[in-house]
Amino acid sequence: DSGVTQTPKHLITATGQRVTLRCSPRSGDLSVYWYQQSLDQGLQFLIQYYNGEERAKGNILERFSAQQFPDLHSELNLSSLELGDSALYFCASSAALGQGGEQYFGPGTRLTVT
Amino acid sequence: GENVEQHPSTLSVQEGDSAVIKCTYSDSASNYFPWYKQELGKRPQLIIDIRSNVGEKKDQRIAVTLNKTAKHFSLHITETQPEDSAVYFCAASTYSGYSTLTFGKGTMLLVSP
Repeated sequence: DSGVTQTPKHLITATGQRVTLRCSPRSGDLSVYWYQQSLDQGLQFLIQYYNGEERAKGNILERFSAQQFPDLHSELNLSSLELGDSALYFCASSAALGQGGEQYFGPGTRLTVT
Repeated sequence: GENVEQHPSTLSVQEGDSAVIKCTYSDSASNYFPWYKQELGKRPQLIIDIRSNVGEKKDQRIAVTLNKTAKHFSLHITETQPEDSAVYFCAASTYSGYSTLTFGKGTMLLVSP
Protein backbone atom coordinates (compact mmCIF):
# COMPACT_ATOMS: atom_id res chain seq x y z
CA ASP A 1 0.00 0.00 0.00
CA SER A 2 1.56 3.28 -1.16
CA GLY A 3 -0.60 5.51 1.07
CA VAL A 4 -2.18 7.17 -1.96
CA THR A 5 -5.91 6.56 -2.28
CA GLN A 6 -8.18 6.95 -5.28
CA THR A 7 -11.92 6.72 -5.71
CA PRO A 8 -13.85 5.24 -7.35
CA LYS A 9 -12.06 2.06 -8.39
CA HIS A 10 -14.25 1.56 -11.42
CA LEU A 11 -16.46 3.92 -13.38
CA ILE A 12 -18.68 3.10 -16.31
CA THR A 13 -20.36 5.93 -18.14
CA ALA A 14 -21.68 6.93 -21.53
CA THR A 15 -20.19 9.12 -24.22
CA GLY A 16 -20.82 12.81 -23.69
CA GLN A 17 -20.98 12.51 -19.92
CA ARG A 18 -18.80 14.10 -17.25
CA VAL A 19 -17.03 12.33 -14.38
CA THR A 20 -14.85 13.30 -11.43
CA LEU A 21 -11.99 11.18 -10.15
CA ARG A 22 -10.64 11.76 -6.67
CA CYS A 23 -7.17 11.30 -5.21
CA SER A 24 -5.78 11.71 -1.70
CA PRO A 25 -1.97 11.92 -1.51
CA ARG A 26 0.27 10.30 1.08
CA SER A 27 0.32 12.10 4.38
CA GLY A 28 2.70 15.03 4.09
CA ASP A 29 3.03 14.96 0.30
CA LEU A 30 2.30 18.29 -1.36
CA SER A 31 2.63 17.27 -5.02
CA VAL A 32 -0.05 15.37 -6.89
CA TYR A 33 0.34 14.07 -10.42
CA TRP A 34 -2.30 12.61 -12.73
CA TYR A 35 -1.54 9.98 -15.37
CA GLN A 36 -3.56 8.23 -18.03
CA GLN A 37 -2.69 4.65 -18.93
CA SER A 38 -4.17 3.07 -22.01
CA LEU A 39 -3.04 -0.13 -23.70
CA ASP A 40 -1.28 1.48 -26.60
CA GLN A 41 0.04 4.64 -24.94
CA GLY A 42 1.70 3.55 -21.73
CA LEU A 43 1.73 6.03 -18.85
CA GLN A 44 0.98 9.52 -20.07
CA PHE A 45 1.52 12.45 -17.73
CA LEU A 46 -1.49 14.75 -17.60
CA ILE A 47 -0.98 17.42 -14.96
CA GLN A 48 0.78 18.24 -11.68
CA TYR A 49 -0.32 20.28 -8.70
CA TYR A 50 1.80 21.43 -5.83
CA ASN A 51 0.23 22.77 -2.65
CA GLY A 52 -2.89 23.85 -4.49
CA GLU A 53 -1.25 25.37 -7.54
CA GLU A 54 -0.92 23.95 -11.03
CA ARG A 55 2.76 23.40 -11.75
CA ALA A 56 3.12 21.37 -14.92
CA LYS A 57 0.94 20.25 -17.79
CA GLY A 58 1.49 17.27 -19.99
CA ASN A 59 -0.73 15.76 -22.66
CA ILE A 60 -3.97 16.87 -21.06
CA LEU A 61 -6.96 17.49 -23.29
CA GLU A 62 -8.94 20.71 -22.99
CA ARG A 63 -11.96 18.60 -21.98
CA PHE A 64 -10.03 17.55 -18.88
CA SER A 65 -9.30 19.72 -15.86
CA ALA A 66 -8.02 19.22 -12.36
CA GLN A 67 -7.65 21.00 -9.08
CA GLN A 68 -6.05 20.50 -5.71
CA PHE A 69 -7.91 21.54 -2.61
CA PRO A 70 -6.62 23.07 0.65
CA ASP A 71 -6.63 19.61 2.29
CA LEU A 72 -4.36 18.54 -0.61
CA HIS A 73 -6.72 16.04 -2.16
CA SER A 74 -7.10 16.42 -5.89
CA GLU A 75 -9.86 15.88 -8.41
CA LEU A 76 -9.60 15.19 -12.11
CA ASN A 77 -12.65 16.22 -14.11
CA LEU A 78 -13.27 14.61 -17.48
CA SER A 79 -16.06 16.03 -19.63
CA SER A 80 -17.68 15.34 -23.01
CA LEU A 81 -16.34 11.83 -22.69
CA GLU A 82 -15.40 9.86 -25.78
CA LEU A 83 -14.80 6.15 -26.26
CA GLY A 84 -11.07 6.83 -26.49
CA ASP A 85 -11.03 8.22 -22.96
CA SER A 86 -11.49 4.70 -21.60
CA ALA A 87 -8.33 4.02 -19.63
CA LEU A 88 -6.80 3.60 -16.21
CA TYR A 89 -6.27 6.91 -14.48
CA PHE A 90 -3.60 7.01 -11.80
CA CYS A 91 -2.63 9.71 -9.44
CA ALA A 92 0.74 9.81 -7.75
CA SER A 93 2.13 11.94 -4.98
CA SER A 94 5.55 13.06 -3.88
CA ALA A 95 6.94 15.12 -1.08
CA ALA A 96 9.17 17.21 -3.26
CA LEU A 97 8.33 19.82 -5.84
CA GLY A 98 11.68 19.71 -7.42
CA GLN A 99 14.55 17.53 -8.36
CA GLY A 100 14.07 13.82 -8.45
CA GLY A 101 11.15 13.43 -6.09
CA GLU A 102 10.03 9.82 -5.82
CA GLN A 103 6.45 9.41 -6.96
CA TYR A 104 4.12 6.90 -5.31
CA PHE A 105 1.07 5.76 -7.23
CA GLY A 106 -2.46 5.17 -6.10
CA PRO A 107 -4.45 2.06 -7.12
CA GLY A 108 -6.05 3.81 -10.07
CA THR A 109 -9.55 4.38 -11.39
CA ARG A 110 -10.62 2.30 -14.36
CA LEU A 111 -12.87 4.39 -16.59
CA THR A 112 -14.96 2.70 -19.22
CA VAL A 113 -16.86 4.90 -21.66
CA THR A 114 -19.61 3.10 -23.59
CA GLY B 1 10.67 17.76 -24.27
CA GLU B 2 12.08 14.52 -22.96
CA ASN B 3 11.64 11.30 -24.94
CA VAL B 4 12.31 7.87 -23.41
CA GLU B 5 12.71 4.75 -25.52
CA GLN B 6 12.51 1.34 -23.87
CA HIS B 7 13.56 -2.06 -25.22
CA PRO B 8 12.57 -4.81 -25.53
CA SER B 9 8.79 -4.54 -25.42
CA THR B 10 8.53 -8.17 -24.29
CA LEU B 11 11.10 -10.43 -22.67
CA SER B 12 10.73 -14.11 -21.85
CA VAL B 13 13.26 -15.87 -19.63
CA GLN B 14 13.55 -19.10 -17.70
CA GLU B 15 13.49 -19.01 -13.92
CA GLY B 16 16.99 -18.39 -12.62
CA ASP B 17 18.15 -16.54 -15.73
CA SER B 18 19.05 -12.85 -15.78
CA ALA B 19 16.94 -10.19 -17.48
CA VAL B 20 18.10 -6.84 -18.82
CA ILE B 21 15.86 -3.98 -19.90
CA LYS B 22 17.35 -0.93 -21.60
CA CYS B 23 16.19 2.67 -21.89
CA THR B 24 17.53 5.70 -23.70
CA TYR B 25 16.58 9.28 -23.08
CA SER B 26 16.95 12.44 -25.13
CA ASP B 27 17.30 15.33 -22.67
CA SER B 28 20.84 15.61 -21.36
CA ALA B 29 19.49 17.66 -18.43
CA SER B 30 17.59 14.65 -17.06
CA ASN B 31 18.99 13.71 -13.69
CA TYR B 32 16.70 11.17 -12.03
CA PHE B 33 15.83 7.74 -13.42
CA PRO B 34 13.33 5.53 -11.58
CA TRP B 35 12.09 2.06 -12.50
CA TYR B 36 8.55 0.91 -11.79
CA LYS B 37 7.07 -2.58 -11.71
CA GLN B 38 3.40 -2.98 -12.57
CA GLU B 39 1.58 -6.24 -12.07
CA LEU B 40 -1.61 -6.85 -14.01
CA GLY B 41 -4.37 -4.52 -12.84
CA LYS B 42 -2.21 -3.03 -10.08
CA ARG B 43 -0.48 0.28 -9.49
CA PRO B 44 3.06 0.99 -10.73
CA GLN B 45 5.45 0.42 -7.82
CA LEU B 46 8.83 2.09 -7.52
CA ILE B 47 11.46 -0.65 -7.31
CA ILE B 48 14.74 1.20 -7.73
CA ASP B 49 16.00 4.57 -8.86
CA ILE B 50 19.28 6.22 -9.72
CA ARG B 51 20.45 9.79 -9.84
CA SER B 52 22.86 11.33 -12.31
CA ASN B 53 25.77 11.50 -9.89
CA VAL B 54 25.81 7.70 -9.55
CA GLY B 55 26.77 5.10 -12.17
CA GLU B 56 25.28 2.00 -10.59
CA LYS B 57 22.95 1.07 -7.77
CA LYS B 58 22.03 -2.38 -6.43
CA ASP B 59 19.25 -3.68 -4.26
CA GLN B 60 19.39 -7.42 -3.73
CA ARG B 61 18.60 -9.06 -7.10
CA ILE B 62 18.00 -5.84 -9.00
CA ALA B 63 20.49 -3.26 -10.18
CA VAL B 64 20.38 -0.18 -12.37
CA THR B 65 23.25 1.27 -14.38
CA LEU B 66 23.45 4.72 -15.89
CA ASN B 67 25.65 6.00 -18.70
CA LYS B 68 25.11 9.76 -18.90
CA THR B 69 27.44 10.20 -21.84
CA ALA B 70 25.48 7.76 -23.96
CA LYS B 71 22.17 8.79 -22.36
CA HIS B 72 21.06 5.30 -21.51
CA PHE B 73 20.25 3.34 -18.38
CA SER B 74 19.42 -0.30 -17.77
CA LEU B 75 17.64 -2.51 -15.28
CA HIS B 76 19.25 -5.83 -14.43
CA ILE B 77 17.39 -8.58 -12.63
CA THR B 78 19.39 -11.64 -11.59
CA GLU B 79 18.11 -15.06 -10.54
CA THR B 80 14.67 -14.28 -11.91
CA GLN B 81 11.63 -15.81 -10.24
CA PRO B 82 8.06 -16.27 -11.53
CA GLU B 83 6.90 -13.44 -9.25
CA ASP B 84 9.16 -11.08 -11.19
CA SER B 85 6.71 -11.43 -14.11
CA ALA B 86 5.19 -7.98 -14.67
CA VAL B 87 5.48 -4.90 -16.85
CA TYR B 88 8.50 -2.76 -16.06
CA PHE B 89 8.61 0.94 -16.88
CA CYS B 90 11.64 3.19 -16.94
CA ALA B 91 11.31 6.93 -16.58
CA ALA B 92 13.42 10.06 -16.72
CA SER B 93 12.97 13.28 -14.84
CA THR B 94 14.21 16.74 -15.63
CA TYR B 95 14.15 19.44 -13.04
CA SER B 96 13.31 22.92 -14.26
CA GLY B 97 11.51 24.52 -11.37
CA TYR B 98 9.34 21.44 -11.13
CA SER B 99 9.93 17.77 -11.77
CA THR B 100 7.89 15.52 -13.99
CA LEU B 101 8.47 11.98 -15.18
CA THR B 102 8.52 10.84 -18.78
CA PHE B 103 7.92 7.10 -19.02
CA GLY B 104 9.06 4.52 -21.51
CA LYS B 105 6.37 2.34 -23.06
CA GLY B 106 7.12 -0.61 -20.82
CA THR B 107 8.59 -4.10 -21.03
CA MET B 108 6.48 -7.15 -20.31
CA LEU B 109 8.74 -9.64 -18.51
CA LEU B 110 7.59 -13.26 -18.38
CA VAL B 111 9.54 -15.66 -16.18
CA SER B 112 8.72 -19.28 -16.84
CA PRO B 113 9.23 -21.88 -14.08
